[in-house]
Parts: sequence; structure tokens; C-alpha cells
Amino acid sequence: QSVLTQPPSVSGAPGQRVTISCTGSRSNIGTGYDVHWYQHLPGTAPKLLIHGNSNRPSGVPDRFSGSKSGTSASLAITGLQAEDEGDYYCQSYDSSLGGLLFGGGTKLTVL
Amino acid sequence: EVHLVESGGGLVQPGGSLRLSCAASGFTFSNNDMHWVRQVTGKGLEWVSAIGVGGATYYSGSVRGRFTISRENAKSSLYLQMNSLRAEDTAVYYCAREYCSGGDCPGWYYMDVWGKGTTVTVSS
Repeated sequence: QSVLTQPPSVSGAPGQRVTISCTGSRSNIGTGYDVHWYQHLPGTAPKLLIHGNSNRPSGVPDRFSGSKSGTSASLAITGLQAEDEGDYYCQSYDSSLGGLLFGGGTKLTVL
Repeated sequence: EVHLVESGGGLVQPGGSLRLSCAASGFTFSNNDMHWVRQVTGKGLEWVSAIGVGGATYYSGSVRGRFTISRENAKSSLYLQMNSLRAEDTAVYYCAREYCSGGDCPGWYYMDVWGKGTTVTVSS
């Protein structure tokens, strides 16, 4: 099935660590296609956070990190800050769809 | 500085048509594959369509046969012609550049530059 599954929401207090999972299948992450992560704040353009599973673009704080194993990937955010509140999406390529696939998105709330 | 600016959104009746444009600046437009991604209010991001540097086009199943993506490299512009619009096409539409740097152009990879979006509302 061509779906990337993310938890609808996660939360944490300032300074804490949270993780967001992204579970795929054999037609996407499981085949070996890379996973990328975006941060989407209300009213703004999505912003690339992690590319190629674990690489941070310049300007992205090292509080953000990514990993991938098997048919899943994870985004970890340490030292939570209020400005981290927003929606986070994983993305990969799906060979069954023949196109890009986004996860359903995870809303991060900083308590 | 690299920029993508979408335009052309608006209110259209079901069954109607709309043409979105995306003006690119700050990079050599002809060197990158380009994408349209949309977000229905309250929902997640959805990939809509892509066009390669050579003009090959790709569509999601939800828009194939109704939408047409095109590009005009001389004008550094990307377009999305949307026909037979439905209420479920109501969304913010984003133009996005796919990563390609020098000889490193993996294809179907990540989008490193996004526009701020243009809103399409399909309603009677």
C-alpha cells in the first residue's frame, strides 16, 4: 500500500526531546528510497529540514536529526523550543504510484 | 536569492478551469525538475504533478486527465492548467523546485525551494 504513516500529533515541554515516526512499505521506504522531512508553519512555505534520511541543509539547527531503518524513518527534535510548533511531513518516492508521496503530517505542540 | 512566486488562484465553479503560474528567479530554471504540491485546508501535503527538465510530465491519480503541467524555460515559468475542477481540488497550491546540483540530480528526490502558495477555491 502506498502510504507513509505518521502520528497525527506529538507534544513536549520546552527543552525536551520528541520523535516523529514515518512508516512506509516495500514500494517506498522499504525499497531503499530516501526519506526527507519538511517543517510547515501556518501561512508559510514548507521548509526542508532533513534530506537523504539524515542530512541537514545549511541553516537547520543540529537539534533536528533524521534516521531510517527498514521500512521506517524518524525525525528527532531535541531541546524543544516554542518556535518548533507546527506541522512536520516525511516524503519519499513510491514506485507503485510513480510519484512523490508525503506522510499525513504530524502536528507538534510545545507545551 | 532564489524565489518561486505562484499566481492565478481564485474562485471557480465546479467543472470550471483555472491556470496557475509560478515565476522562478535566482537560479537557472531549465536545470531543475519542478513540482506542484497542494494542501487542502486541515489536511496534509499532497503531491500533484511534476515536469522534468526534458519536458516529461507526471501526475497523481487524483488529477491525471484533468490537469496539465508545463514549463516555459525562456520565461523561467511553470504552469498548471486545471480543468474539470471539483470541490475536492480546493487547496493551497505550491510550486516547488526539486534538488539538482551540478551533476548530482538523483531524480524524484526532495524539494529544496518552495513558493508561498496560491489558493484555489472550487465552489458554486
